[in-house]
Amino acid sequence: EAGVTQFPSHSVIEKGQTVTLRCDPISGHDNLYWYRRVMGKEIKFLLHFVKESKQDESGMPNNRFLAERTGGTYSTLKVQPAELEDSGVYFCASSLRVYNEQFFGPGTRLTVL
Amino acid sequence: QKEVEQDPGPLSVPEGAIVSLNCTYSNSAFQYFMWYRQYSRKGPELLMYTYSSGNKEDGRFTAQVDKSSKYISLFIRDSQPSDSATYLCAMIGNDYKLSFGAGTTVTVRA
Repeated sequence: EAGVTQFPSHSVIEKGQTVTLRCDPISGHDNLYWYRRVMGKEIKFLLHFVKESKQDESGMPNNRFLAERTGGTYSTLKVQPAELEDSGVYFCASSLRVYNEQFFGPGTRLTVL
Repeated sequence: QKEVEQDPGPLSVPEGAIVSLNCTYSNSAFQYFMWYRQYSRKGPELLMYTYSSGNKEDGRFTAQVDKSSKYISLFIRDSQPSDSATYLCAMIGNDYKLSFGAGTTVTVRA
C-alpha cells in the first residue's frame, strides 16, 4: 500500500512568488491534515479536511494560504504571495478516521528567498 | 507557555544503553498520547500510541503516561545505532489535531 506522498520534495522561490504544494493521501483516508515546521519551532497544525470539506483551518497563518481538496482525494496548499517567514517544512498526513493514527508524508521543504 | 514541552537535547548514548525521553503538557483536554520517530529528511513515523495512564510496551519501546502529573515518557531499551533519530511527542485533545513537542535528537554511538 502506497503511503502519503508529497510533491515537490523541495521548492525554492523568491519572495512574492506563488507556490503550490500537493499531497496525495493514502487511498481511502477521508481525513487529511496539513502541518508546518518552521526553523527551530515545533510542528504546527494548519488545517484538517474531512473528505473535501474543511473541518478546521484554525492553524492557517493568514489569507495568503489557500488549501483545497479536490473530490476528497488529493489536496493542494497554495501560498500567494510567499513571504520569507513562510520558509519551513510542510507535512501532510492522513488517517482513516479521526483519532486513528495519522500517517505522514515526507514533507515539502519550502525556501523563500 | 507552550502546550507541550520537550527538551530538544541533543542526547548521545552508547549502544545498548537505555534512552529516556519525556514531555510535559499543560492542556488537560489532551487524551491521546503518541511518540513519533523522524529520520532526517523523512516524515514522522508513529512509534507508540496510548490513551490511559500507565505503561505500554512494544518490543524495546515502553511508553508511560501520567495524566495526574501531565507527564509522558518513552524508554528505548538496548538502544541501537539505527535508533538515532529525532523523537517527537504528540498529543490530541477534543479537536483531532496533533500538538507536538519540539523533538529530541538522539544519537546512539556504536
